[in-house]
Amino acid sequence: NAGVTQTPKFQVLKTGQSMTLQCAQDMNHEYMSWYRQDPGMGLRLIHYSVGAGITDQGEVPNGYNVSRSTTEDFPLRLLSAAPSQTSVYFCASSYSTTGASTDTQYFGPGTRLTVL
Amino acid sequence: GESVGLHLPTLSVQEGDNSIINCAYSNSASDYFIWYKQESGKGPQFIIDIRSNMDKRQGQRVTVLLNKTVKHLSLQIAATQPGDSAVYFCAEKSGGFKTIFGAGTRLFVKA
Repeated sequence: NAGVTQTPKFQVLKTGQSMTLQCAQDMNHEYMSWYRQDPGMGLRLIHYSVGAGITDQGEVPNGYNVSRSTTEDFPLRLLSAAPSQTSVYFCASSYSTTGASTDTQYFGPGTRLTVL
Repeated sequence: GESVGLHLPTLSVQEGDNSIINCAYSNSASDYFIWYKQESGKGPQFIIDIRSNMDKRQGQRVTVLLNKTVKHLSLQIAATQPGDSAVYFCAEKSGGFKTIFGAGTRLFVKA
């Protein structure tokens, strides 16, 4: 299994540009999520999905869109990039969300995004 | 509100010594806790978890202790090795789909 994969690894955007961060997992996990990681602030949840066709907002959803057309893929779209979106973005997946050990989230390697 | 915080942002230990990383949480309804390790340039990696109906759980060289009375969580690493150098995050869940992460503690292992 490749686990959770993310592309690209690095990206530089200009303010106002749009782009899509890709995330895929091959573990047949139902739950997928996107986090951003900023220095000294840990990981903050942007959006999550509990299955194909179902998405919901996390803690910091503004400026981001997601869709979940398949179990495997969960892309994150930046609609109009802003310097405040400069961050490292992590995608994660888990088998379940029931509060058991099967809730363990597996993280991708991250995308480092810089918005100028 | 909910928060998960760490007492120390940086911890430096001698190789071979035991490491203890602490974490405080404020949501008394939290029922599942996880420790993650994040190496430079990589995503967080699961280390060990514990349910709120337990107060101790052991893994390979790691032990997690949970004190619900004072809402405190700790990660103990035995015989710390250079490969243990990383940022360690505690995280909590109180049911539902959201995991709340702490800010992280950076562990330095001195040879």
